[in-house]
Amino acid sequence: QVQLQESGPRLVKPSETLSLTCTVSGGSVNSGGYYWSWIRQPPGKRLEWIGYIYYAESTNYNPSLKSRVTISADTSKNQFSLKLGSVTAADTAIYYCARAKIASAGTLDWFDPWGQGTLVTVSS
Amino acid sequence: DIQMTQSPSSLSASVGDRVTITCRASQSISSYLNWYQQKPGKAPKFLIYAASRLQSGAPSRFSGSGSGTDFTLTISSLQPEDFATYYCQQSFSSPYTFGQGTKLEIK
Repeated sequence: QVQLQESGPRLVKPSETLSLTCTVSGGSVNSGGYYWSWIRQPPGKRLEWIGYIYYAESTNYNPSLKSRVTISADTSKNQFSLKLGSVTAADTAIYYCARAKIASAGTLDWFDPWGQGTLVTVSS
Repeated sequence: DIQMTQSPSSLSASVGDRVTITCRASQSISSYLNWYQQKPGKAPKFLIYAASRLQSGAPSRFSGSGSGTDFTLTISSLQPEDFATYYCQQSFSSPYTFGQGTKLEIK
């Protein structure tokens, strides 16, 4: 079955760029039919959808983060990545990657499976 | 954005109890509502889709209902492994949003 695993630095300094990678096994980021997504959860807060990539190059971002977010894919490594710029302490969170099936209307069905998540702390 | 509000935020119950969690959307989302279970230190686990359809492998004691703006998740007879935090999520439109969670604790 499809499995996802996040990796990247756990500590980022304020104003710098947070970079994470999600490695996919058992499936392909280049395959049609799925949105490859990033979701985060600040400590003690609700889950927040960040955005997704599909067909390895098309993207959709949460407007609240759009000016700072880039999601890209490396099909040769079967990975997709998140870059979040100009980070502050408010970006401290557990970051998850997840897959969602594309629904008929172009929306998504649900998020499944998820990676285990990685805590990224923004601090000097 | 569609705001998702769950109630209660926390709930104490005993093994064997029947419990119901409510999720309300700020506008109609038809039946585009999913439920997840999250245990401490773990990723959310997908439970229910389209408001009332049980994910393959999810125990039958879980059920969901509702449409429009009001939805419920019911656990018919609580088991020890059910004590967790539950989140609703709308898949009606982007940006996809989650409720604030309901923490189910052992009484």
